[in-house]
Amino acid sequence: GENVEQHPSTLSVQEGDSAVIKCTYSDSASNYFPWYKQELGKRPQLIIDIRSNVGEKKDQRIAVTLNKTAKHFSLHITETQPEDSAVYFCAASGNQAGTALIFGKGTTLSVSS
Amino acid sequence: SQTIHQWPATLVQPVGSPLSLECTVEGTSNPNLYWYRQAAGRGLQLLFYSVGIGQISSEVPQNLSASRPQDRQFILSSKKLLLSDSGFYLCAWSGGASRWLFFGSGTQLSVL
Repeated sequence: GENVEQHPSTLSVQEGDSAVIKCTYSDSASNYFPWYKQELGKRPQLIIDIRSNVGEKKDQRIAVTLNKTAKHFSLHITETQPEDSAVYFCAASGNQAGTALIFGKGTTLSVSS
Repeated sequence: SQTIHQWPATLVQPVGSPLSLECTVEGTSNPNLYWYRQAAGRGLQLLFYSVGIGQISSEVPQNLSASRPQDRQFILSSKKLLLSDSGFYLCAWSGGASRWLFFGSGTQLSVL
């Protein structure tokens, strides 16, 4: 089955800096790669996703890149703000209906002002 | 709009006691339903998922089981809890052409 590795496990940046979180996946059949943000005590929420027919996607200060050949994808946050502090999870899944998302172990991002 | 309800929010149970966590989805039909467990340092671990009534796929052999008695109801159970069952349990749903996964508010289970 699918296995998703995520790095780093913790990341500390200064406000205004950029943050990059990287994930690799094992199943070449996976074609959907979302990112979730979980604030302390709250449920994970989708922030951005990318499909295998796209190499990069942006939404304001966040962007995701995908390299299908290397089987890795990354989350980029620019101009970080204290409210970006949270745990971020990457995930991967295949194309079949109902195929479950397999998540990485998460990255705890701390943005200090 | 669709909503997902999960209860209870917190639960403290003794070792060896049974467990039943319930999750229901409103505002959609035939959702895909999932149970995840979140433990420190282990991220979001998929436990079970279901694409329809009575259809349950188990990802991790363990002390837990799941059932889907109705289209929008998903139940996580155990006959005898272990200390290692402690964690934050999240129900989630997805549906239709969207691949988005929506989580419930979670249940913090402490087995003592």
